[in-house]
Amino acid sequence: GAVVSQHPSWVICKSGTSVKIECRSLDFQATTMFWYRQFPKQSLMLMATSNEGSKATYEQGVEKDKFLINHASLTLSTLTVTSAHPEDSSFYICSAPSGRALSGANVLTFGAGSRLTVL
Amino acid sequence: GNSVTQMEGPVTLSEEAFLTINCTYTATGYPSLFWYVQYPGEGLQLLLKATKADDKGSNKGFEATYRKETTSFHLEKGSVQVSDSAVYFCALSDRTGNQFYFGTGTSLTVIP
Repeated sequence: GAVVSQHPSWVICKSGTSVKIECRSLDFQATTMFWYRQFPKQSLMLMATSNEGSKATYEQGVEKDKFLINHASLTLSTLTVTSAHPEDSSFYICSAPSGRALSGANVLTFGAGSRLTVL
Repeated sequence: GNSVTQMEGPVTLSEEAFLTINCTYTATGYPSLFWYVQYPGEGLQLLLKATKADDKGSNKGFEATYRKETTSFHLEKGSVQVSDSAVYFCALSDRTGNQFYFGTGTSLTVIP
């Protein structure tokens, strides 16, 4: 089945540094990928929709300059948390529509998530 | 607009108990409905799905039926196991598949 690989799975960084998280579709192409943020014991918060070859679409309240998204190819999207601070510590998850099942449903495949801890 | 409402947790059950997690939706058109599961420390995995009214999705003993008349997609399992402990998310997507909407998640803990 479709696989989305997310890397790194856990990163710890110092305050003020930038961290890049990669999201790759391993066996399918994804013109669109979604980036979410999840706080402990809370639901997913859609941050942005990344579009191959064009600018990402950010949800209201998400800082574009803080969370840089690049969708460089049909299999790779990256999220860079710039000048990270402790309040950016969170679980970041990406997903991609992995094609329609025989039933016609468009299924989302999720990466395993990346835990960011900013000291 | 589109939205999903699911029952709040946490839910704690004894092993072999019956599970129901309620999910209702609001949508324009004819959405597809999903249940995703998130095990501790992991990402989300698709558990089951249904694409049209009266469809029943099933997997690993879990079932959910797409009820258009009640706009519901309740998740059920007849006998839960400790390994079912996880957070369950109800979701819907529109027909284009470009928009996905998630419920707040329901945490389930199954005790031996």
